[in-house]
Amino acid sequence: NAGVTQTPKFQVLKTGQSMTLQCAQDMNHNSMYWYRQDPGMGLRLIYYSASEGTTDKGEVPNGYNVSRLNKREFSLRLESAAPSQTSVYFCASSEARTGFQPQHFGDGTRLSIL
Amino acid sequence: DQQVKQNSPSLSVQEGRISILNCDYTNSMFDYFLWYKKYPAEGPTFLISISSIKDKNEDGRFTVFLNKSAKHLSLHIVPSQPGDSAVYFCAAVSSGSARQLTFGSGTQLTVLP
Repeated sequence: NAGVTQTPKFQVLKTGQSMTLQCAQDMNHNSMYWYRQDPGMGLRLIYYSASEGTTDKGEVPNGYNVSRLNKREFSLRLESAAPSQTSVYFCASSEARTGFQPQHFGDGTRLSIL
Repeated sequence: DQQVKQNSPSLSVQEGRISILNCDYTNSMFDYFLWYKKYPAEGPTFLISISSIKDKNEDGRFTVFLNKSAKHLSLHIVPSQPGDSAVYFCAAVSSGSARQLTFGSGTQLTVLP
């Protein structure tokens, strides 16, 4: 089973360029999440979508936008990339309707902004 | 202000011995705690969780202990195997946060053969 699939796996951008990171899950989960991980830090939530049609800001939303395209897909967009956005980005999903369920993560997108 | 802290960036143990990874938290509203394991170039993988109403949960070689009065949890791995070498993240969820995970900074576990 594919689980959570992120594309691309690697990307190098110049400052000011725009980019959309794609995420798709095949587990029929309602909730999806975008995190960033920086060296020496845990994962920090950027945006999340509790269910199809809704999105909300997380801890570090500045400089990002998201789209919950349908139940399967949740994209993250950088409109004008900055060096501070160099990071590893992880998408996750969970079935949050029935009590607590753990989040399942993709393998990440490594993004470098020059 | 870090709500979930892992104060040990790294830990080395001998194969076959016990590995103990620690985590402290400050938010009393957390009601679930999780441990994730992460290999290089892969996403975090869920390992084990514990509800705040319990003090222990076991799954094979992995046991998580929760001490609510001390706001402390630990992950015990017995016996440790070389394949357990990875970064371990502690994470917490509060019921009022739309199930958002708050992560610690991780502990690199190295199991020496």
